[in-house]
Amino acid sequence: DVKVTQSSRYLVKRTGEKVFLECVQDMDHENMFWYRQDPGLGLRLIYFSYDVKMKEKGDIPEGYSVSREKKERFSLILESASTNQTSMYLCASSNPGARGTGELFFGEGSRLTVL
Amino acid sequence: GQQLNQSPQSMFIQEGEDVSMNCTSSSIFNTWLWYKQEPGEGPVLLIALYKAGELTSNGRLTAQFGITRKDSFLNISASIPSDVGIYFCAGQAGANSKLTFGKGITLSVRP
Repeated sequence: DVKVTQSSRYLVKRTGEKVFLECVQDMDHENMFWYRQDPGLGLRLIYFSYDVKMKEKGDIPEGYSVSREKKERFSLILESASTNQTSMYLCASSNPGARGTGELFFGEGSRLTVL
Repeated sequence: GQQLNQSPQSMFIQEGEDVSMNCTSSSIFNTWLWYKQEPGEGPVLLIALYKAGELTSNGRLTAQFGITRKDSFLNISASIPSDVGIYFCAGQAGANSKLTFGKGITLSVRP
């Protein structure tokens, strides 16, 4: 059963802490993405990667960084968590090609609360 | 930047009813996709559309790619309680372009 796995479903952190959100996919997909989801705002793209060691900023990259050392793993890093980063974080993957790059497979999400 | 409009934010229907949702854009997209997110889960792809005018079905779901390339609609027939969730539309301008998501419509189904 193919899937995208996010390491933590729920996290509670304190302001200023460094936070790592891990995502692993077992579909050998080239593309991986991090989104955040907030009520009334939908899904907003934070960072994405089309290859190992490659990363591109999405629409809201401020306050975040990412790491893609292996094809199957894409990590989101909050260097110094702030309360406005309290959100649901969704990882997704897809394959490149004429079709299919928009056909994303999502993880179950990581709900982060920053106190 | 590009925006997709989905409204209303919430819909409430009776079990057995049909429901239609649309998604509009000021920009042209070459791919339209519809995702559903159930409570506590990540979104799941329902239907992908790749050609203007295309009409595609997936069980009780039917989606169409608007002829102007600026809209798409999703129809759910004979709704059941497990249809509850958030329905997102998404558009993609080019083959490897980022997706633009709508803000989603939360569907509630009364038994």
